Amino acid sequence: GAVVSQHPSRVICKSGTSVKIECRSLDFQATTMFWYRQFPKQSLMLMATSNEGSKATYEQGVEKDKFLINHASLTLSTLTVTSAHPEDSSFYICSASRDSTYQETQYFGPGTRLLVL
Amino acid sequence: EDKVVQSPLSLVVHEGDTVTLNCSYEVTNFRSLLWYKQEKKAPTFLFMLTSSGIEKKSGRLSSILDKKELFSILNITATQTGDSAVYLCASFIQGAQKLVFGQGTRLTINP
Repeated sequence: GAVVSQHPSRVICKSGTSVKIECRSLDFQATTMFWYRQFPKQSLMLMATSNEGSKATYEQGVEKDKFLINHASLTLSTLTVTSAHPEDSSFYICSASRDSTYQETQYFGPGTRLLVL
Repeated sequence: EDKVVQSPLSLVVHEGDTVTLNCSYEVTNFRSLLWYKQEKKAPTFLFMLTSSGIEKKSGRLSSILDKKELFSILNITATQTGDSAVYLCASFIQGAQKLVFGQGTRLTINP
């Protein structure tokens, strides 16, 4: 159990377009979902935390108008990179927690590699 | 600022060797320390440590936490080529309810 999927796994887009990435918990209800970004050979940086039905909490330095997060249900969160630019190219990983008390138990999705040309 | 630092950043050894990976942390409101293995995609969970001095073991992997000195180690004995990966440690911050990751150690096991 505790499987998290992401779609798409890879996307290439032109500069200026918007890209939506979906994160789904397949066999459990996720009270909280997290979005991370990972640059090549670097670690995971938390971008934002989202709870179902409420606004996401963004980390310092992450533009909320640039990275729109919607957590419409207990099994789905989406990250939309608006007006993407080459510097947004990165590996985006989501994770989901099913325990509102012990949120360190996070199940990670397989990631989405975004390349903006 | 909450910080997790791993060392070494990169390590190359021969199959059969034993390796020790280090993770030190300086965070407010520490609750737990976690180790993950990341191959090409998502990190997979290895251990979660909350108490000092209690070794957690899974096959050839083991880990221990020292809350006084603020560090953890991950040991891998009798390494195999399949152990090649990036190993990440992360500290969970209570209150902020988030994981702060270290930079990772890239481990390469040569046959």
